[in-house]
Amino acid sequence: AQTVTQSQPEMSVQEAETVTLSCTYDTSENNYYLFWYKQPPSRQMILVIRQEAYKQQNATENRFSVNFQKAAKSFSLKISDSQLGDTAMYFCAFRETGNQFYFGTGTSLTVIP
Amino acid sequence: DSGVTQTPKHLITATGQRVTLRCSPRSGDLSVYWYQQSLDQGLQFLIQYYNGEERAKGNILERFSAQQFPDLHSELNLSSLELGDSALYFCASSKETGWTYEQYFGPGTRLTVT
Repeated sequence: AQTVTQSQPEMSVQEAETVTLSCTYDTSENNYYLFWYKQPPSRQMILVIRQEAYKQQNATENRFSVNFQKAAKSFSLKISDSQLGDTAMYFCAFRETGNQFYFGTGTSLTVIP
Repeated sequence: DSGVTQTPKHLITATGQRVTLRCSPRSGDLSVYWYQQSLDQGLQFLIQYYNGEERAKGNILERFSAQQFPDLHSELNLSSLELGDSALYFCASSKETGWTYEQYFGPGTRLTVT
């Protein structure tokens, strides 16, 4: 069974600093996709970044980047220059070729002014 | 705005009742997913439809059912409601073509069972 683990229920970071959220997953698949979603207080789910497992290069989207370690089954999210609007719940998600999505339990991030 | 719409935004009903949640996917998206987000269980995948047919099933109860219509909108039917069914229900859509696998989420329907 595929599982996604986010071991940090809550984190905080000073505004303009860098923070890293961790995620590990378990799969026997070789091809799959990994995602980070952000859920602000409005409860809307917003895609932050995605990574295809067959790509060795780490994905980057502006201030958001990932550290994808396929052998270790690790997929961490780094947020640089943290902003107050980054305060949200962050979910790591995994999708294998069978189309099911698996979400972690989330990390609540608070950016402190 | 993701382009995915869900109605209603809020729903309050009593135990034992039946409700229908509606979702319209983004233009061009063929696949619809349903999720349940409750306080104690996080985000749980319920079911996926692709172009009218069921594609994947997650932790969906037998009291729940869904379908996707020819115009690609989807409905999630919840029956014999229990207090524990109170949750935020999300619909998401994706294109399901090529390598575009990200999902775009609707704003959710908040269901309260009293």
